[in-house]
Amino acid sequence: EVQLVQSGAEVKKPGESLKISCKGSGYSFTSYWIGWVRQMPGKGLEWMGIIYPGDSDTRYSPSFQGQVTISADKSISTAYLQWSSLKASDTAMYYCARFNWGFDYWGQGTLVTVSS
Amino acid sequence: EIVLTQSPGTLSLSPGERATLSCRASQSVSSSYLAWYQQKPGQAPRLLIYGASSRATGIPDRFSGSGSGTDFTLTISRLEPEDFAVYYCQQYGSSHTFGQGTKLEIK
Repeated sequence: EVQLVQSGAEVKKPGESLKISCKGSGYSFTSYWIGWVRQMPGKGLEWMGIIYPGDSDTRYSPSFQGQVTISADKSISTAYLQWSSLKASDTAMYYCARFNWGFDYWGQGTLVTVSS
Repeated sequence: EIVLTQSPGTLSLSPGERATLSCRASQSVSSSYLAWYQQKPGQAPRLLIYGASSRATGIPDRFSGSGSGTDFTLTISRLEPEDFAVYYCQQYGSSHTFGQGTKLEIK
């Protein structure tokens, strides 16, 4: 069974750093792109970027380039999304998803709350 | 960047009726690389349609997708109570972008 399991909810202060994770199982982790999607409270889906764990080829949305870093450790089948300095506007639900001509499997989401 | 515009913003229909949702792209979507998702409150999105018209695994045949170029449509032939949700289109022919969503609500 294909599964993407994300790390738990986070509460952080502005200016702090954060790295959230997405662990894949039940399939060849290195053979599919993994994307990250932001959903701000009450809003729609925003594509942030995508990584191919096989060779760490990474693409970013222009809106998120330079704001976040996407990485992967194929030895433990895990993708990451990280911030070096959080802002209140980063408060959102973040989803990882496997890309297979569409995002066919999704993680359960990680809620990130940034508040002073 | 390709911008996707979904219409209407909200669609109010009754169970048993037919729903037609539109997704228009600011430029042609190559090879019909367009997908549709359903999202219910508190849940992750679910893939319904990929390649503009192919149903994802386990998706009932009342869901169908059509279109090419810049105009795409998701049709739900006969609405069931569980179909009331928010629907998003996504293009993956030139990077990736999502539409802003259509909320399908019970009339």
